[in-house]
Amino acid sequence: AQKVTQAQTEISVVEKEDVTLDCVYETRDTTYYLFWYKQPPSGELVFLIRRNSFDEQNEISGRYSWNFQKSTSSFNFTITASQVVDSAVYFCALSGVGTDKLIFGTGTRLQVFP
Amino acid sequence: DGGITQSPKYLFRKEGQNVTLSCEQNLNHDAMYWYRQDPGQGLRLIYYSQIVNDFQKGDIAEGYSVSREKKESFPLTVTSAQKNPTAFYLCASSIVAGDYEQYFGPGTRLTVT
Repeated sequence: AQKVTQAQTEISVVEKEDVTLDCVYETRDTTYYLFWYKQPPSGELVFLIRRNSFDEQNEISGRYSWNFQKSTSSFNFTITASQVVDSAVYFCALSGVGTDKLIFGTGTRLQVFP
Repeated sequence: DGGITQSPKYLFRKEGQNVTLSCEQNLNHDAMYWYRQDPGQGLRLIYYSQIVNDFQKGDIAEGYSVSREKKESFPLTVTSAQKNPTAFYLCASSIVAGDYEQYFGPGTRLTVT
């Protein structure tokens, strides 16, 4: 069975701190995709990244970076120099190749205080 | 502007009434999806459609129905058979089903009393 675990329910930081959101997944598929989405208070989910299981290179996009480690089945997300606008719920998700189903974790609520 | 629209943002209904949630996309995406989100939980798939006039049940389809008569529209009906309909409903679409990221609409918060 496929499963995504986001053990951190809520994280609070002060602006400019770095913060890492953890994501651990379970799957028997050898090929799969991992995703991160951001849900701001408005409610709409915003796509952040999609990563193929064959690509273990870390990715950086501005203040965002992602660390994918197949050996530990983790796909962690780091925000560097956090800002108040980063306050949101962040979801990690998993899907098998060629399937329609996204398996979501329960989300991590990040609060960044000024 | 390309995107997904859901209306209304907030919807209130009395128990026992059916209610239809609207979802429209102008991204020319083939696949569309409906999810339900409950407080403190992740999203759960209700129904999805890979092409026009075709749709499949997701994990929690009981008490819901959909139609896909047009590529850009995928309305969801919450029927009186749904035992706990109060939730936040999100519609999404992707270029094709499967290997592409899904893009989400702003959601509809349904309250049934």
